[in-house]
Amino acid sequence: AQSVTQLDSQVPVFEEAPVELRCNYSSSVSVYLFWYVQYPNQGLQLLLKYLSGSTLVKGINGFEAEFNKSQTSFHLRKPSVHISDTAEYFCAVSRSNDYKLSFGAGTTVTVRA
Amino acid sequence: KAGVTQTPRYLIKTRGQQVTLSCSPISGHRSVSWYQQTPGQGLQFLFEYFSETQRNKGNFPGRFSGRQFSNSRSEMNVSTLELGDSALYLCASSSLPNAEAFFGQGTRLTVV
Repeated sequence: AQSVTQLDSQVPVFEEAPVELRCNYSSSVSVYLFWYVQYPNQGLQLLLKYLSGSTLVKGINGFEAEFNKSQTSFHLRKPSVHISDTAEYFCAVSRSNDYKLSFGAGTTVTVRA
Repeated sequence: KAGVTQTPRYLIKTRGQQVTLSCSPISGHRSVSWYQQTPGQGLQFLFEYFSETQRNKGNFPGRFSGRQFSNSRSEMNVSTLELGDSALYLCASSSLPNAEAFFGQGTRLTVV
């Protein structure tokens, strides 16, 4: 079975500052990795995903993540955040040829002016 | 194209009742998954359907069930509701495994 640990439950950050959200996973098989964002009273929206290839993945809204197999991590970063980035962020994994997603507990990002 | 549509958006039910939630996937998507989201347990996988067959099931009691129709629309049913079933229920559809899952806005179920 695979599991995901998001190391920070809440991250406050000032507008235009950088942010990093940490995600570690454990699995006995190869997995695919995802970051989703959830705005208040909304469903989840995909930010980016890692399936294979380059370990640096660029997503929407200026986010990027780096896959590190040796450290089993998939940290999400943004160099300069905006007020509109205030949301909850979820790291997720799935096994090969599987539709099921296993989610971390989520990280709430609050951007202050 | 239209996104994933979940109905209703909000529901209030009494303990012991049953409830049916509906999900219409993106056109062409044959896989539909359901998730329960609560503050305490986070996002938990309920089940996944593909071409009317349940292929994967999470660790939930038998009171939680679902089905998928030939047009890929899906319903989930919760019988004998308990207070702990209060949650946001999210539906997601996908075209391929490991591809992007598109989520609906969810159904907020409150059990009183």
